[in-house]
Amino acid sequence: AQSVTQLDSQVPVFEEAPVELRCNYSSSVSVYLFWYVQYPNQGLQLLLKYLSGSTLVKGINGFEAEFNKSQTSFHLRKPSVHISDTAEYFCAVSDSNFNKFYFGSGTKLNVKP
Amino acid sequence: KAGVTQTPRYLIKTRGQQVTLSCSPISGHRSVSWYQQTPGQGLQFLFEYFSETQRNKGNFPGRFSGRQFSNSRSEMNVSTLELGDSALYLCASSLDRAVYEQYFGPGTRLTVT
Repeated sequence: AQSVTQLDSQVPVFEEAPVELRCNYSSSVSVYLFWYVQYPNQGLQLLLKYLSGSTLVKGINGFEAEFNKSQTSFHLRKPSVHISDTAEYFCAVSDSNFNKFYFGSGTKLNVKP
Repeated sequence: KAGVTQTPRYLIKTRGQQVTLSCSPISGHRSVSWYQQTPGQGLQFLFEYFSETQRNKGNFPGRFSGRQFSNSRSEMNVSTLELGDSALYLCASSLDRAVYEQYFGPGTRLTVT
């Protein structure tokens, strides 16, 4: 079985500053990795995904993530955040064999003016 | 293309009652998954349906059940409600058997009193 650890429950950052949200996973098999964003009172929206190929994945809203197999990490980054990026971000892992999703506990990003 | 819709959006029930939540997937999507989101437990996988068959199931008691109709719409039912069932219930649909391309609905907020 897989598990996902998001190391920071809350990340405060000033507008236009860079941000990194950390995610580590554990799995004995090949996995697919995802980042989702959830705005208040809304469902989850896919930001980006890693299935195979290039380890640097670019997503929507200027976010990107890098898959590091040796460190079993998939950290999310944005070079310059905006107030509208304030939301909760979830890292998830899926095992293609079992078609189940395992989500991390979430990181609340709070962008301050 | 319309997104995933869930009805109702908000629901208040009393302990011991039962509840049925509905999910209409994106047109053409055949896989529907259900998740429970609570502040304490985070996002937890309930079950997944594909072509009217339950394909995967999470670790929830038998009070939680679901079904999928021939038009891919899905319902989940919770019987004998407990206070701990208060949560946001999210539905996600995907095109085929591969659930990694999931699209989430806005959720149904269930409050059990």
